[in-house]
Amino acid sequence: GAGVSQTPSNKVTEKGKYVELRCDPISGHTALYWYRQSLGQGPEFLIYFQGTGAADDSGLPNDRFFAVRPEGSVSTLKIQRTERGDSAVYLCASSSNAGGHNEQFFGPGTRLTVL
Amino acid sequence: AQKVTQAQTEISVVEKEDVTLDCVYETRDTTYYLFWYKQPPSGELVFLIRRNSFDEQNEISGRYSWNFQKSTSSFNFTITASQVVDSAVYFCALSDLTGNQFYFGTGTSLTVIP
Repeated sequence: GAGVSQTPSNKVTEKGKYVELRCDPISGHTALYWYRQSLGQGPEFLIYFQGTGAADDSGLPNDRFFAVRPEGSVSTLKIQRTERGDSAVYLCASSSNAGGHNEQFFGPGTRLTVL
Repeated sequence: AQKVTQAQTEISVVEKEDVTLDCVYETRDTTYYLFWYKQPPSGELVFLIRRNSFDEQNEISGRYSWNFQKSTSSFNFTITASQVVDSAVYFCALSDLTGNQFYFGTGTSLTVIP
């Protein structure tokens, strides 16, 4: 079956622009996670969805970042007024059950470059 | 506070050598979960193992083995008879009591030289 997919694979934008990053989780997975990975670092937690609701958004760095999952499947991470420091790989993961105790399946990531 | 430390930034070994990747964690929770993930050059993180805090038995899976010691807050990973395909960045991670968040270490980049 299909794994987690993310689009686009690469996104180059200019400082101040708005971007949307999409994640398609594995079908039937109720839990969805967004992470940000900077060069040479481990993934950094951003937000966790259980179904349609954000169960934990404590990792979002500021109010320029927002994520939705309106139908409990596809999720979109939205970044307003992008800054150069937002440049990173944004990873999405899904899991079959609530909570992080279960294996998370990761997508290939979206590499965001803010010029 | 939850924290995972992988002190080894980069390791190079010659093929067929054994190599151990260190992971030390910090948590105030009595129940927690530890993980290892592999990130090959393609970039996609691949799950290797999960261990809960109540199970200190060491585990072996083929050439991979894991040594969990609560007394030293360590969860080390050993690859026996390394192969070129093992070259990747390996991440140790900790899941907190709620299970909502993962805390990743900074990763160890392993290069296996043929």
